[in-house]
Amino acid sequence: DGGITQSPKYLFRKEGQNVTLSCEQNLNHDAMYWYRQDPGQGLRLIYYSQIVNDFQKGDIAEGYSVSREKKESFPLTVTSAQKNPTAFYLCASSQQGAKTGELFFGEGSRLTVL
Amino acid sequence: AQSVTQPDIHITVSEGASLELRCNYSYGATPYLFWYVQSPGQGLQLLLKYFSGDTLVQGIKGFEAEFKRSQSSFNLRKPSVHWSDAAEYFCAYNQGGKLIFGQGTELSVKP
Repeated sequence: DGGITQSPKYLFRKEGQNVTLSCEQNLNHDAMYWYRQDPGQGLRLIYYSQIVNDFQKGDIAEGYSVSREKKESFPLTVTSAQKNPTAFYLCASSQQGAKTGELFFGEGSRLTVL
Repeated sequence: AQSVTQPDIHITVSEGASLELRCNYSYGATPYLFWYVQSPGQGLQLLLKYFSGDTLVQGIKGFEAEFKRSQSSFNLRKPSVHWSDAAEYFCAYNQGGKLIFGQGTELSVKP
Protein backbone atom coordinates (compact mmCIF):
# COMPACT_ATOMS: atom_id res chain seq x y z
CA ASP A 1 0.00 0.00 0.00
CA GLY A 2 1.17 3.54 -0.71
CA GLY A 3 1.88 5.78 2.19
CA ILE A 4 4.34 7.39 4.53
CA THR A 5 6.30 5.40 7.06
CA GLN A 6 7.88 7.02 10.06
CA SER A 7 10.23 5.23 12.41
CA PRO A 8 10.68 4.72 15.21
CA LYS A 9 7.25 5.34 16.67
CA TYR A 10 8.71 5.99 20.12
CA LEU A 11 12.21 7.14 20.90
CA PHE A 12 13.99 8.04 24.09
CA ARG A 13 17.09 10.13 24.15
CA LYS A 14 19.48 11.34 26.76
CA GLU A 15 20.33 15.01 26.86
CA GLY A 16 23.24 15.87 24.60
CA GLN A 17 22.58 13.11 22.10
CA ASN A 18 21.62 13.56 18.48
CA VAL A 19 18.82 11.41 17.15
CA THR A 20 17.55 10.80 13.61
CA LEU A 21 13.91 10.21 12.74
CA SER A 22 13.21 8.34 9.55
CA CYS A 23 10.54 9.24 6.99
CA GLU A 24 9.98 7.22 3.83
CA GLN A 25 7.21 7.64 1.26
CA ASN A 26 6.24 5.51 -1.71
CA LEU A 27 3.67 7.93 -3.11
CA ASN A 28 6.11 9.39 -5.64
CA HIS A 29 5.51 12.83 -4.15
CA ASP A 30 7.92 15.63 -4.86
CA ALA A 31 7.50 17.57 -1.62
CA MET A 32 8.13 16.41 1.92
CA TYR A 33 7.71 18.17 5.26
CA TRP A 34 8.55 17.84 8.93
CA TYR A 35 6.25 19.28 11.57
CA ARG A 36 6.55 19.38 15.31
CA GLN A 37 3.44 19.09 17.46
CA ASP A 38 3.17 20.23 21.06
CA PRO A 39 -0.04 20.33 23.11
CA GLY A 40 -2.01 23.50 22.47
CA GLN A 41 0.36 24.76 19.78
CA GLY A 42 -0.84 23.01 16.69
CA LEU A 43 1.71 21.93 14.13
CA ARG A 44 4.79 24.00 13.47
CA LEU A 45 6.88 23.56 10.36
CA ILE A 46 10.51 22.57 10.91
CA TYR A 47 11.84 21.95 7.40
CA TYR A 48 10.43 21.21 3.99
CA SER A 49 11.76 20.04 0.67
CA GLN A 50 10.08 20.49 -2.68
CA ILE A 51 12.69 18.64 -4.71
CA VAL A 52 15.56 16.25 -4.23
CA ASN A 53 18.79 17.83 -2.97
CA ASP A 54 16.99 21.00 -1.90
CA PHE A 55 15.25 21.98 1.31
CA GLN A 56 14.16 25.11 3.18
CA LYS A 57 13.86 26.09 6.80
CA GLY A 58 10.46 26.38 8.32
CA ASP A 59 9.44 28.41 11.34
CA ILE A 60 11.37 26.45 13.96
CA ALA A 61 14.44 25.01 12.21
CA GLU A 62 16.96 25.83 14.95
CA GLY A 63 18.45 22.67 16.43
CA TYR A 64 17.29 20.47 13.57
CA SER A 65 18.85 19.28 10.33
CA VAL A 66 17.56 17.38 7.30
CA SER A 67 18.74 15.85 4.06
CA ARG A 68 16.95 14.95 0.84
CA GLU A 69 19.25 12.68 -1.12
CA LYS A 70 16.43 10.54 -2.47
CA LYS A 71 12.92 11.44 -3.50
CA GLU A 72 11.37 8.93 -1.15
CA SER A 73 13.37 9.76 1.96
CA PHE A 74 13.53 12.84 4.20
CA PRO A 75 15.23 12.07 7.54
CA LEU A 76 15.19 14.59 10.38
CA THR A 77 18.04 14.87 12.86
CA VAL A 78 17.29 16.40 16.23
CA THR A 79 20.59 17.73 17.46
CA SER A 80 21.80 18.48 20.94
CA ALA A 81 21.36 22.16 20.11
CA GLN A 82 17.56 21.75 20.25
CA LYS A 83 16.71 23.01 23.72
CA ASN A 84 13.35 21.33 24.15
CA PRO A 85 13.18 18.34 21.81
CA THR A 86 10.48 16.33 23.60
CA ALA A 87 7.55 16.40 21.17
CA PHE A 88 5.53 14.52 18.60
CA TYR A 89 7.08 14.74 15.13
CA LEU A 90 5.04 14.35 11.97
CA CYS A 91 6.33 13.82 8.46
CA ALA A 92 4.17 14.59 5.46
CA SER A 93 4.38 14.60 1.70
CA SER A 94 2.46 16.12 -1.17
CA GLN A 95 2.41 16.48 -4.90
CA GLN A 96 3.01 19.80 -6.58
CA GLY A 97 4.70 21.27 -3.58
CA ALA A 98 1.44 21.45 -1.59
CA LYS A 99 -0.13 23.78 -4.16
CA THR A 100 -3.28 21.73 -3.79
CA GLY A 101 -2.83 21.69 -0.05
CA GLU A 102 -3.37 18.03 0.48
CA LEU A 103 -0.66 16.67 2.69
CA PHE A 104 -0.38 12.98 3.44
CA PHE A 105 0.90 12.32 6.93
CA GLY A 106 2.78 9.53 8.58
CA GLU A 107 1.71 8.24 11.98
CA GLY A 108 4.32 10.25 13.81
CA SER A 109 7.31 9.68 16.04
CA ARG A 110 7.21 10.58 19.71
CA LEU A 111 10.57 11.70 21.06
CA THR A 112 11.17 11.92 24.78
CA VAL A 113 14.34 13.35 26.26
CA LEU A 114 15.23 11.79 29.58
CA ALA B 1 0.97 38.52 9.91
CA GLN B 2 -0.97 35.90 8.02
CA SER B 3 -2.47 33.25 10.25
CA VAL B 4 -5.38 31.03 11.11
CA THR B 5 -6.99 31.08 14.52
CA GLN B 6 -9.12 28.44 16.15
CA PRO B 7 -10.76 30.19 19.10
CA ASP B 8 -11.95 27.05 20.85
CA ILE B 9 -9.33 24.82 22.42
CA HIS B 10 -11.78 22.16 23.56
CA ILE B 11 -15.44 21.50 22.73
CA THR B 12 -17.77 18.85 24.12
CA VAL B 13 -20.96 17.85 22.35
CA SER B 14 -23.49 15.10 22.88
CA GLU B 15 -23.70 12.28 20.41
CA GLY B 16 -26.28 13.12 17.77
CA ALA B 17 -26.00 16.86 18.33
CA SER B 18 -24.81 19.27 15.68
CA LEU B 19 -21.26 20.56 15.63
CA GLU B 20 -19.57 23.74 14.50
CA LEU B 21 -15.83 24.32 14.89
CA ARG B 22 -14.61 27.82 14.26
CA CYS B 23 -11.69 28.94 12.13
CA ASN B 24 -10.76 32.53 11.35
CA TYR B 25 -8.06 33.53 8.92
CA SER B 26 -6.01 36.61 8.44
CA TYR B 27 -4.92 36.85 4.82
CA GLY B 28 -5.03 39.53 2.16
CA ALA B 29 -6.13 37.46 -0.80
CA THR B 30 -8.48 34.50 -0.85
CA PRO B 31 -6.51 31.74 0.83
CA TYR B 32 -6.51 28.04 0.16
CA LEU B 33 -8.13 26.66 3.33
CA PHE B 34 -8.26 23.18 4.76
CA TRP B 35 -9.58 21.14 7.66
CA TYR B 36 -7.67 18.13 8.95
CA VAL B 37 -8.55 15.63 11.66
CA GLN B 38 -6.18 13.80 13.99
CA SER B 39 -7.01 10.78 16.12
CA PRO B 40 -4.90 10.38 19.28
CA GLY B 41 -1.31 9.41 18.55
CA GLN B 42 -1.89 9.38 14.81
CA GLY B 43 -1.14 11.48 11.78
CA LEU B 44 -3.55 13.92 10.18
CA GLN B 45 -6.21 13.19 7.59
CA LEU B 46 -7.66 15.73 5.20
CA LEU B 47 -11.39 16.34 5.73
CA LEU B 48 -11.99 19.00 3.09
CA LYS B 49 -10.47 21.94 1.27
CA TYR B 50 -11.52 25.24 -0.30
CA PHE B 51 -9.77 26.94 -3.21
CA SER B 52 -12.44 28.98 -4.99
CA GLY B 53 -15.97 28.78 -6.33
CA ASP B 54 -18.81 27.41 -4.26
CA THR B 55 -18.31 28.63 -0.71
CA LEU B 56 -19.89 25.53 0.83
CA VAL B 57 -17.61 22.55 0.49
CA GLN B 58 -18.36 18.97 1.32
CA GLY B 59 -15.84 16.64 2.84
CA ILE B 60 -15.46 13.11 4.06
CA LYS B 61 -17.25 11.59 7.07
CA GLY B 62 -20.26 13.89 6.64
CA PHE B 63 -18.40 17.13 7.33
CA GLU B 64 -18.86 20.40 5.49
CA ALA B 65 -17.37 23.88 5.77
CA GLU B 66 -18.46 27.30 4.61
CA PHE B 67 -16.10 30.00 3.46
CA LYS B 68 -17.32 33.47 4.47
CA ARG B 69 -15.10 36.23 3.17
CA SER B 70 -17.01 38.97 5.04
CA GLN B 71 -16.29 37.24 8.33
CA SER B 72 -12.86 35.84 7.41
CA SER B 73 -14.10 32.47 8.55
CA PHE B 74 -14.06 28.87 7.42
CA ASN B 75 -16.10 27.01 10.02
CA LEU B 76 -16.45 23.24 10.01
CA ARG B 77 -19.89 21.71 10.57
CA LYS B 78 -21.54 18.37 10.98
CA PRO B 79 -25.30 17.94 11.51
CA SER B 80 -25.08 14.90 13.78
CA VAL B 81 -21.95 13.93 15.66
CA HIS B 82 -20.94 10.32 16.18
CA TRP B 83 -18.78 9.06 19.05
CA SER B 84 -16.06 8.21 16.51
CA ASP B 85 -15.74 11.92 15.65
CA ALA B 86 -13.90 12.53 18.92
CA ALA B 87 -10.49 13.78 17.79
CA GLU B 88 -8.50 16.95 17.30
CA TYR B 89 -9.36 19.17 14.36
CA PHE B 90 -7.01 21.56 12.63
CA CYS B 91 -7.73 24.41 10.28
CA ALA B 92 -4.89 25.32 7.90
CA TYR B 93 -4.06 27.52 4.97
CA ASN B 94 -1.54 27.34 2.16
CA GLN B 95 1.25 29.89 2.26
CA GLY B 96 3.72 29.70 -0.59
CA GLY B 97 3.56 25.94 -0.95
CA LYS B 98 3.54 25.06 2.74
CA LEU B 99 0.65 24.57 5.12
CA ILE B 100 0.26 26.75 8.21
CA PHE B 101 -1.93 25.21 10.91
CA GLY B 102 -4.11 26.66 13.63
CA GLN B 103 -3.71 25.58 17.23
CA GLY B 104 -6.33 22.90 16.96
CA THR B 105 -9.69 22.18 18.61
CA GLU B 106 -10.12 19.03 20.63
CA LEU B 107 -13.59 17.52 20.28
CA SER B 108 -15.07 15.29 22.98
CA VAL B 109 -18.36 13.46 22.40
CA LYS B 110 -20.68 12.62 25.29
CA PRO B 111 -22.82 9.48 25.01
